[in-house]
Amino acid sequence: RKEVEQDPGPFNVPEGATVAFNCTYSNSASQSFFWYRQDCRKEPKLLMSVYSSGNEDGRFTAQLNRASQYISLLIRDSKLSDSATYLCVGTSHLSGGYNKLIFGAGTRLAVHP
Amino acid sequence: DGGITQSPKYLFRKEGQNVTLSCEQNLNHDAMYWYRQDPGQGLRLIYYSQIVNDFQKGDIAEGYSVSREKKESFPLTVTSAQKNPTAFYLCASSIDVGSRVPSGELFFGEGSRLTVL
Repeated sequence: RKEVEQDPGPFNVPEGATVAFNCTYSNSASQSFFWYRQDCRKEPKLLMSVYSSGNEDGRFTAQLNRASQYISLLIRDSKLSDSATYLCVGTSHLSGGYNKLIFGAGTRLAVHP
Repeated sequence: DGGITQSPKYLFRKEGQNVTLSCEQNLNHDAMYWYRQDPGQGLRLIYYSQIVNDFQKGDIAEGYSVSREKKESFPLTVTSAQKNPTAFYLCASSIDVGSRVPSGELFFGEGSRLTVL
């Protein structure tokens, strides 16, 4: 079982729609979670961190449910420029007590006019 | 402008050849990483380095080698022992030295696409 699992999509939505992605993780010891955005054939970039209490950044809202071990990303009022792949990221242990990032395979979003 | 530079962007290699991918950063970050991305899979960690002259194997280190002789540079060699080297390779750095509670922000280079013919 993959440590971080996402629905690959694609999610095809019209401009202005609200869309939500979920992601599940298997390592209950994961401490931190993030969403990254990756445009086609480009490098990933950090979109936002995910906090237990939920957090918002403009049109984007991230939620964490530790009991069910899933993370969500909600995008309101979708723009054409939101079209990208969204990577769910958890953490896992490296040696020495440090953590590394574990990337999901990504969920593709296509926003159309 | 600060950032990470990877080269080459595209590389073709014959089977049996070693190739080296360059990664240079001017962000003054201690930690650097190499990931591999394949279609339908998440990024997988090949090697990481938390400090100059030290590096550790990631999840899929077999067939790869690295060096960290300078803080700014973390080249990756894909050897002929790597069975399936065709992939998108991403170098990254972070200000966290594999922090116990990482900020999560990795700065990536634009990637190198390696194709084995």
